[in-house]
Amino acid sequence: EPEVTQTPSHQVTQMGQEVILRCVPISNHLYFYWYRQILGQKVEFLVSFYNNEISEKSEIFDDQFSVERPDGSNFTLKIRSTKLEDSAMYFCASSERQGAQPQHFGDGTRLSIL
Amino acid sequence: GNSVTQMEGPVTLSEEAFLTINCTYTATGYPSLFWYVQYPGEGLQLLLKATKADDKGSNKGFEATYRKETTSFHLEKGSVQVSDSAVYFCALRSDGGSQGNLIFGKGTKLSVKP
Repeated sequence: EPEVTQTPSHQVTQMGQEVILRCVPISNHLYFYWYRQILGQKVEFLVSFYNNEISEKSEIFDDQFSVERPDGSNFTLKIRSTKLEDSAMYFCASSERQGAQPQHFGDGTRLSIL
Repeated sequence: GNSVTQMEGPVTLSEEAFLTINCTYTATGYPSLFWYVQYPGEGLQLLLKATKADDKGSNKGFEATYRKETTSFHLEKGSVQVSDSAVYFCALRSDGGSQGNLIFGKGTKLSVKP
């Protein structure tokens, strides 16, 4: 069964540095998403992406964050000037369409900011 | 705004016990409803879904019925196994416009003892 893959599985970064989290969505999917889960808290939506542009973003997704689909397979989340509170599990997801179509999640990248 | 509330965990059961995890939601219109499961060290996996009122989603012995009158989508299983130990997330997806993102509950950790 096709999977969403995320790399790295764990990223440790000094506060103030930039990080790029990478995702390879399922190949025939058109909608891509990033979510975040701070330890012990709920999974929160960050951003959705369709047709090479952001279709929706949450209040969390401020100017510190950006997303990109640099080629036909990768979907990246960049976090600039990382802060301690950016430490979380970041999940990438993709779906064929919106609405009732389920989103398929990767195993996540654990980001630790020191 | 849209929201999901699910019962606080952790829930500890003996093998073959009956499981109920309560989930209620607040949403306008007719959202789609989902249960996702997160096994230790893994990402989120879709467990089941329901897209309209009175639909019953089922998978791996788990069931949940979309109850619009009580705005609920409770997860049930008649006989749990040790391998069902995981965190369970209830989620909704709005039917309106470009609202493709999932809104999650806080998750309920289930531990099944042999």
